[in-house]
Amino acid sequence: NAGVMQNPRHLVRRRGQEARLRCSPMKGHSHVYWYRQLPEEGLKFMVYLQKENIIDESGMPKERFSAEFPKEGPSILRIQQVVRGDSAAYFCASSATGTGAQGQPQHFGDGTRLSIL
Amino acid sequence: AQSVTQLDSHVSVSEGTPVLLRCNYSSSYSPSLFWYVQHPNKGLQLLLKYTSAATLVKGINGFEAEFKKSETSFHLTKPSAHMSDAAEYFCVVSLNNAGNMLTFGGGTRLMVKP
Repeated sequence: NAGVMQNPRHLVRRRGQEARLRCSPMKGHSHVYWYRQLPEEGLKFMVYLQKENIIDESGMPKERFSAEFPKEGPSILRIQQVVRGDSAAYFCASSATGTGAQGQPQHFGDGTRLSIL
Repeated sequence: AQSVTQLDSHVSVSEGTPVLLRCNYSSSYSPSLFWYVQHPNKGLQLLLKYTSAATLVKGINGFEAEFKKSETSFHLTKPSAHMSDAAEYFCVVSLNNAGNMLTFGGGTRLMVKP
């Protein structure tokens, strides 16, 4: 009974390159969330997606960042033209239903640690 | 708007002594509240949740938390600390009528001395 799977666990990129982070939700979960954690800080919400739809992207930077959750396959968080400030741990979470309305918890993956050289 | 304040960034206890991690929240609506634990280089594991049922919530590994509406608090406790409890703990709030965004506290790092 696999949990939320994120890959890669560690990703190193040079400034200006693209970073692609993948997340497979728990089986039966159709709600996916992305969070960013800077060193010594809590997690900050980035984006909430359901299959093929972005529901809430209020935490996403307006430029260079995008997310998708296609009908088939994992959710992808894409960062174009990375800069040093993008270095962080990026966590994906999933839930079976809407967390707020139902009180259902989100289940987290182990994260992708992105380092920008 | 909702917010979460964890009053202590670091807490140090001796093994076998009680643990208290403090959390206050601010919310205009009836919230759902969670405590998550994060071990080094790992994701977050749910300890317990409050969703307007019993105010005293029991979680995994002997942890529990009490929702006090009058004090807008949701403190996490454990009667006796174990070395394996050393980790970062996050208090989290989710508004019941505002979708699915979780708001995290800044975290409390728990250290357990032998």
